[in-house]
Amino acid sequence: NAGVTQTPKFQVLKTGQSMTLQCAQDMNHEYMSWYRQDPGMGLRLIHYSVGAGITDQGEVPNGYNVSRSTTEDFPLRLLSAAPSQTSVYFCASSYSIPAGYQNTGELFFGEGSRLTVL
Amino acid sequence: GEDVEQSLFLSVREGDSSVINCTYTDSSSTYLYWYKQEPGAGLQLLTYIFSNMDMKQDQRLTVLLNKKDKHLSLRIADTQTGDSAIYFCAESYWDDKIIFGKGTRLHILP
Repeated sequence: NAGVTQTPKFQVLKTGQSMTLQCAQDMNHEYMSWYRQDPGMGLRLIHYSVGAGITDQGEVPNGYNVSRSTTEDFPLRLLSAAPSQTSVYFCASSYSIPAGYQNTGELFFGEGSRLTVL
Repeated sequence: GEDVEQSLFLSVREGDSSVINCTYTDSSSTYLYWYKQEPGAGLQLLTYIFSNMDMKQDQRLTVLLNKKDKHLSLRIADTQTGDSAIYFCAESYWDDKIIFGKGTRLHILP
């Protein structure tokens, strides 16, 4: 059981380049999400998905695209990287969100992907 | 709008109690959480409290929830060097989002 796997762990891009951060989970979780972590800003939600074929915007969605074609995978695409997107990106999954009486909504996090945009 | 606030730093002497505070804005949340992040790692759930509870105790951890003031706190008894980390308060919203605070960095003094 690998949990949540993110690749790559480190990436350096030039301004204007595109790339995809991969996220896969093997826990059969319906809910997946992407956060970015910046010093002094905490974790901010970029996009999330409550199931295959469904995605929605979080707090800071601009400059990022996502898709959810399978339950297991939730890639995050940067179409034209900017220095402001330099950050540590975390993918997280949960059995089901919103939390309820039968489900605490615990998020399981990957180890993070550190992205630098020059 | 949705907002979770917490102080950024806390220093505590080893063996003392640590108290990390958090305020939130949405009274309709179902669960409130405390996550721990150790250096170079992702976040891990430390504990949580359901919104109809006032207090939850789990070994050295005590969570207090004041719904009237929208205030959540985490008390760590007998703080150890292994407790040095960033602690995030988080709230589960009705619209499928989980929103995190900025995180409190706990520093342990010898």
